[in-house]
Amino acid sequence: GNSVTQMEGPVTLSEEAFLTINCTYTATGYPSLFWYVQYPGEGLQLLLKATKADDKGSNKGFEATYRKETTSFHLEKGSVQVSDSAVYFCALSELRAGNMLTFGGGTRLMVKP
Amino acid sequence: EAGVAQSPRYKIIEKRQSVAFWCNPISGHATLYWYQQILGQGPKLLIQFQNNGVVDDSQLPKDRFSAERLKGVDSTLKIQPAKLEDSAVYLCASRLPGLAGLGEQFFGPGTRLTVL
Repeated sequence: GNSVTQMEGPVTLSEEAFLTINCTYTATGYPSLFWYVQYPGEGLQLLLKATKADDKGSNKGFEATYRKETTSFHLEKGSVQVSDSAVYFCALSELRAGNMLTFGGGTRLMVKP
Repeated sequence: EAGVAQSPRYKIIEKRQSVAFWCNPISGHATLYWYQQILGQGPKLLIQFQNNGVVDDSQLPKDRFSAERLKGVDSTLKIQPAKLEDSAVYLCASRLPGLAGLGEQFFGPGTRLTVL
């Protein structure tokens, strides 16, 4: 079956630091890959996505590249802000599996001023 | 456009009681999902609907959980009787049908259930 593994948190950074959250996946087909974010007190929001190998998803200064050879989709941001403090979820979906999302366990990011 | 609506936002019940959650997806979204998110974990799919038909309910504990989407729009998820381990946030999500909404799901705010 499909699975997603992401680094455990919490990750604590100072403002303007570089962020990497690792994500690797196992899939039987050719999945689409996603990063969702959950801000405190809010619902899950799509942050970025990539639908095929070597695609780069980007949004709000965050980037992730679909690496089929390493089955990875690491999230990066060059300079984090306090407002980026949230829980980040890596996820995959496959069309043949009804596009249900398989999530990783989530990584809590705390950014200190 | 309006997002996915869920109610109630919070519910506290005692074990062995029953509870129901309601979801109204984004207009035009034929596919609807219910996920369970236990504290500190990622969401896990319970059931998927396409219009008013069930696509996947393989992870739904059918001895106590049930869900319906009678008119292909709103959906209700019920737990009867509840157990302590059902304490979680129940998330509803929807997406456009077919390839137009490939993979991208829109989530509601969730219902936080506490079973005492």
